[in-house]
Amino acid sequence: AQKVTQAQTEISVVEKEDVTLDCVYETRDTTYYLFWYKQPPSGELVFLIRRNSFDEQNEISGRYSWNFQKSTSSFNFTITASQVVDSAVYFCALSARPYTGGFKTIFGAGTRLFVKA
Amino acid sequence: DADVTQTPRNRITKTGKRIMLECSQTKGHDRMYWYRQDPGLGLRLIYYSFDVKDINKGEISDGYSVSRQAQAKFSLSLESAIPNQTALYFCATSDYENTEAFFGQGTRLTVV
Repeated sequence: AQKVTQAQTEISVVEKEDVTLDCVYETRDTTYYLFWYKQPPSGELVFLIRRNSFDEQNEISGRYSWNFQKSTSSFNFTITASQVVDSAVYFCALSARPYTGGFKTIFGAGTRLFVKA
Repeated sequence: DADVTQTPRNRITKTGKRIMLECSQTKGHDRMYWYRQDPGLGLRLIYYSFDVKDINKGEISDGYSVSRQAQAKFSLSLESAIPNQTALYFCATSDYENTEAFFGQGTRLTVV
């Protein structure tokens, strides 16, 4: 079975605080891909990052960083020194192969981040 | 022009009516998807297609059908709309399973 769990429904922080968004996934596949997307209040979905199951190297992009740990099936996302513009819903997604058929991509329920000035 | 275009952007329909949501893309991707977004439930996969002849059910396909008219077009139909199909619907495309998806702007559907 494929599953993505984002246990944090909403997080509220004050500007300049660091915040980590959790993502835990389940899949039987050994080859799979993980993604993070951002949905700002305007509603569109914006791609942030992709990771494949063979690459556990953490990544940093400006104030964003991602920690991928296969041992705990987690792919967490940290925003350093948060800003009001970071307020959005963040989705974690998993692309893997179910028992039959090709890869399909499923999403977690999302975490709504509020950053207060 | 947007890479992925959904029409209509907003629609209010009555229970029992048939409605079609359309999606077209200019990315040249083979893979296309339909998701619905509900508060607290995230995006749930309705149907996905790897090419014109390959259509697969997603997590919540009951009450929906799809048609892949061409590589660039993927439409979603509600044969007999019901109120709990009120949601925000997204169409998406991707090149391969390991590449990011490109999303349309969404269609807000209300069934009254």
